[in-house]
Amino acid sequence: EIVLTQSPATLSLSPGERATLSCRASQSLSNYLAWYQQRPGQAPRLLIYDASNRATGIPARFSGSGSGTDFTLIISSLEPEDVAVYYCQQRTTWPLTFGGGTKVDIK
Amino acid sequence: EVQLVESGGGLEQPGGSLRLSCAGSGFTFSNYDMHWVRQVRGKGLEWVSGIETTGETYYTDSVKGRFTVSRENAKNSLYLQMNNLRVGDTAMYYCARAHGGKSNWFDPWGQGTLVTVSS
Repeated sequence: EIVLTQSPATLSLSPGERATLSCRASQSLSNYLAWYQQRPGQAPRLLIYDASNRATGIPARFSGSGSGTDFTLIISSLEPEDVAVYYCQQRTTWPLTFGGGTKVDIK
Repeated sequence: EVQLVESGGGLEQPGGSLRLSCAGSGFTFSNYDMHWVRQVRGKGLEWVSGIETTGETYYTDSVKGRFTVSRENAKNSLYLQMNNLRVGDTAMYYCARAHGGKSNWFDPWGQGTLVTVSS
């Protein structure tokens, strides 16, 4: 099973600041990594797939990068509605697995 | 609008059974792989099971032999038969469509149905 380790566990930033979230895999994923946002009380939604492709309707302030074992999600300018837990997910091998999540708060 | 609506959750005793359903609308259901993902309250996401358009199925180890995923394309519906339930199966269960049909990225998700296993 591929283990995904996300860091930091919590990120507390002011509006307009840049958020950098990390996801590290226990083995190479090529570019088969996605990012999801889960706002409080809501179901998750797909943000980024194949490491760097934004899903439909996702604002341009969200960007993804990386390949192999190290991946990054960047929120270029934090908005209040970005308060959420962010999860990474791999689809390289079964079982599909998620990281433990990074909680993003607004100061 | 693409929509997924889960139902069938509830309170069940350890060793009991539940059948979850997921009704899809706004897309051609038969063209998409489908998945179940669960989340313990306050915890992270765990993929549970998936079914391809061909009917091939996949499971996480902890539910193999106890859960069965199926689909009924004529009814635009996905199911999860959950037998021999354990306390550890208590979670919100989401159904999700495979992004682009077969990618194993989850998009969109339903709002979930809550399963509680307790004596």
